[in-house]
Amino acid sequence: GAVVSQHPSWVICKSGTSVKIECRSLDFQATTMFWYRQFPKKSLMLMATSNEGSKATYEQGVEKDKFLINHASLTLSTLTVTSAHPEDSSFYICSASGGWTGARHGYTFGSGTRLTVV
Amino acid sequence: AQTVTQSQPEMSVQEAETVTLSCTYDTSESDYYLFWYKQPPSRQMILVIRQEAYKQQNATENRFSVNFQKAAKSFSLKISDSQLGDAAMYFCAYRSVYSGGGADGLTFGKGTHLIIQP
Repeated sequence: GAVVSQHPSWVICKSGTSVKIECRSLDFQATTMFWYRQFPKKSLMLMATSNEGSKATYEQGVEKDKFLINHASLTLSTLTVTSAHPEDSSFYICSASGGWTGARHGYTFGSGTRLTVV
Repeated sequence: AQTVTQSQPEMSVQEAETVTLSCTYDTSESDYYLFWYKQPPSRQMILVIRQEAYKQQNATENRFSVNFQKAAKSFSLKISDSQLGDAAMYFCAYRSVYSGGGADGLTFGKGTHLIIQP
């Protein structure tokens, strides 16, 4: 089945530095990638949607300059948290759609990245 | 905008018993998809079952089945013969029909923590 690899699984960084999270579709072409944020014991909140080769669409309230998303190829999307602060600490999850089939059957999720900013 | 409501923050069931998790949603769309996802302690999102709104027949996947009431905008999940491995957070999710111009992200409910008593 469809597999999405997300890396790193956890990262600790100092306040003010930037962190990059990668999401790769291993056996299908991900025309669309989604990035979610999940606070402890909370639901997943959609942050942004990226289509390969075009700019990401951010949800209301998400700072596009802080959360940079790049989707340069059909198998790789990255989320960069710039100038991270402790309030950015969270669990970030990507999911991928391979087009109509993927969307109809539910998207494939990465395993998530736990970010801790100290 | 669509909303998804899960009114049960936590449910507990005896092993081998049956449990039903509730989910309601609000939308003005006539066609859409509904999903139940399981998130175990590993935090990997796992698709449990999906339902296409245009289908009247309730979806079933082994021990998991749904009761889809379109008019009432209700989408409950029934787990039969509960097993210890079913213990997890369960999220109900909604998404619009793929329009071709770009897939839509999922809208999640707040989740229900399911506890299985041995």
